[in-house]
Amino acid sequence: GAGVSQTPSNKVTEKGKYVELRCDPISGHTALYWYRQSLGQGPEFLIYFQGTGAADDSGLPNDRFFAVRPEGSVSTLKIQRTERGDSAVYLCASSSNGRQETQYFGPGTRLLVL
Amino acid sequence: QQQVKQSPQSLIVQKGGISIINCAYENTAFDYFPWYQQFPGKGPALLIAIRPDVSEKKEGRFTISFNKSAKQFSLHIMDSQPGDSATYFCAASSTGNTPLVFGKGTRLSVIA
Repeated sequence: GAGVSQTPSNKVTEKGKYVELRCDPISGHTALYWYRQSLGQGPEFLIYFQGTGAADDSGLPNDRFFAVRPEGSVSTLKIQRTERGDSAVYLCASSSNGRQETQYFGPGTRLLVL
Repeated sequence: QQQVKQSPQSLIVQKGGISIINCAYENTAFDYFPWYQQFPGKGPALLIAIRPDVSEKKEGRFTISFNKSAKQFSLHIMDSQPGDSATYFCAASSTGNTPLVFGKGTRLSVIA
């Protein structure tokens, strides 16, 4: 079936604005992850969902970042009062169950905060 | 604190040669070590993974070598091809609901 999809592919916003990034995981995958990848760096973990609940949100940098997965499928990463330092590629991944199962990544959303 | 240190940062290899990328870790609780390949504009894709109960794992032209006592693991790409040109990331995690921790990546260029 289809892989992980993310929308939008690119997002340009102004400092202080609110943004939402969407992730559609592989059908049937119960585990979903958000990562942030800055230029020249590896992906950095943000949050992990198992079903509808956030099993680990230890990577969220501050309370401006929030994510939901209300029906256990699609997830939305929400960033309030964006800052220029939030500019990065936001990657979503899903796996069939736990964290040490293969994680399948989407193409990412490139966020630029002006 | 960088939990997984990857080297080199960039690598140029002749077509047909062997590409070697190294990673070192500190956390002895890590027990899962995957390698990811990322092309520009794409998300990372799992290439090969190893657990510490074996010292080597081979899949096609790709081999992971693992040295538990030295807390190091490496990726070897045999007969490197131009299509292998990408950024490679090592990662690690431990059993028990812990996140994958990635290295900073190695940009590999295979030239003809």
